[in-house]
Amino acid sequence: QKEVEQDPGPLSVPEGAIVSLNCTYSNSAFQYFMWYRQYSRKGPELLMYTYSSGNKEDGRFTAQVDKSSKYISLFIRDSQPSDSATYLCAMSLQGNKLVFGAGTILRVKS
Amino acid sequence: EADIYQTPRYLVIGTGKKITLECSQTMGHDKMYWYQQDPGMELHLIHYSYGVNSTEKGDLSSESTVSRIRTEHFPLTLESARPSHTSQYLCASMKGGAGNTEAFFGQGTRLTVV
Repeated sequence: QKEVEQDPGPLSVPEGAIVSLNCTYSNSAFQYFMWYRQYSRKGPELLMYTYSSGNKEDGRFTAQVDKSSKYISLFIRDSQPSDSATYLCAMSLQGNKLVFGAGTILRVKS
Repeated sequence: EADIYQTPRYLVIGTGKKITLECSQTMGHDKMYWYQQDPGMELHLIHYSYGVNSTEKGDLSSESTVSRIRTEHFPLTLESARPSHTSQYLCASMKGGAGNTEAFFGQGTRLTVV
């Protein structure tokens, strides 16, 4: 069983839609939860970071962590064509080694 | 933009050749990592280092080796390339200390072994 499960998509939505991206995980000891965005032919870059459970908002992006369900989500409001990318969830125990999901390909159509 | 650089960006090489993928960062980060990324698959950690002269194998078995002689430099070497090594290789660095979770990635090296 993979430590982190993420639906690879692709997910195709019209511009302006609300997007929901999700990951589940099996290791209850994970403490740090991250979302990375990766554009084509580029390396991943950190989008959102959450420690333990709860919500975090940054502009159009909201990250949620539910440790009791071992489930994390990223919501994108008013999605734009520039949001088209692969979104990778990642998590770690003490911030050392990151464990990544497979990434979800998102396409926002104008 | 992150100050971490990988060269070459693309490499096509014949079976049996020795290759070195270069990774350099100018942020003074102690932690450096090599990941392998294939389409639709999660990033797999193949090597990591927490400082000079410290290297460890990651979770994914790899026939590659790494060295960390200087803080800023973390090259990965394949002694004898095989078609199964065809993949995208991503280098990353992170500040030291517990709770630092932002990994800065290079743009990757796309390796094709023919």
